[in-house]
Amino acid sequence: DTAVSQTPKYLVTQMGNDKSIKCEQNLGHDTMYWYKQDSKKFLKIMFSYNNKELIINETVPNRFSPKSPDKAHLNLHINSLELGDSAVYFCASSPRQGRNTEAFFGQGTRLTVV
Amino acid sequence: GDSVTQMEGPVTLSEEAFLTINCTYTATGYPSLFWYVQYPGEGLQLLLKATKADDKGSNKGFEATYRKETTSFHLEKGSVQVSDSAVYFCALSGVGSSNTGKLIFGQGTTLQVKP
Repeated sequence: DTAVSQTPKYLVTQMGNDKSIKCEQNLGHDTMYWYKQDSKKFLKIMFSYNNKELIINETVPNRFSPKSPDKAHLNLHINSLELGDSAVYFCASSPRQGRNTEAFFGQGTRLTVV
Repeated sequence: GDSVTQMEGPVTLSEEAFLTINCTYTATGYPSLFWYVQYPGEGLQLLLKATKADDKGSNKGFEATYRKETTSFHLEKGSVQVSDSAVYFCALSGVGSSNTGKLIFGQGTTLQVKP
């Protein structure tokens, strides 16, 4: 059983399109995250939800809209895709908020905007 | 702002060589420190962590010690294997008043181990 699963794994789309990435965790965790990894492998947090409540929004363009229908799911919708959105997007979860808690990562979604 | 700095890669070693990957941080307060590893085509996995000064994290032959006086958390392994080839990320969490679990990552260091 995959702990944190993302779909799709690869996504190639044209500029201007709208796309969604889905994430599900079966670990019973309270907290979920989206991270973006750029072409130089640098990772930066985008959003975090705790018990379906948004707790982190790191100056991400409002074309990006996360949605958490329940504790186990955190989806990412991107409107009007731009070339600069090309990256690997990682979903992660942790048992709770807090500085000591381990984050469990999904396998990533490689988004290519052409 | 809060940040993590890792040594530039790539690091290329022969099998059984000694590994050190340097990591230093800048943070207000007392963060928790982590090393994550990313194997090709996969997500990140926690390798080890330390939550207070002088703690030593260890796993799979890797170890790192939380040094508050030098704000460092260097990763070491006595004898690397080809299977250790991956990208290694140093990260911190819990700085200032933030207790969200948000991770701040270093830029990653690519390790290539040759037989």
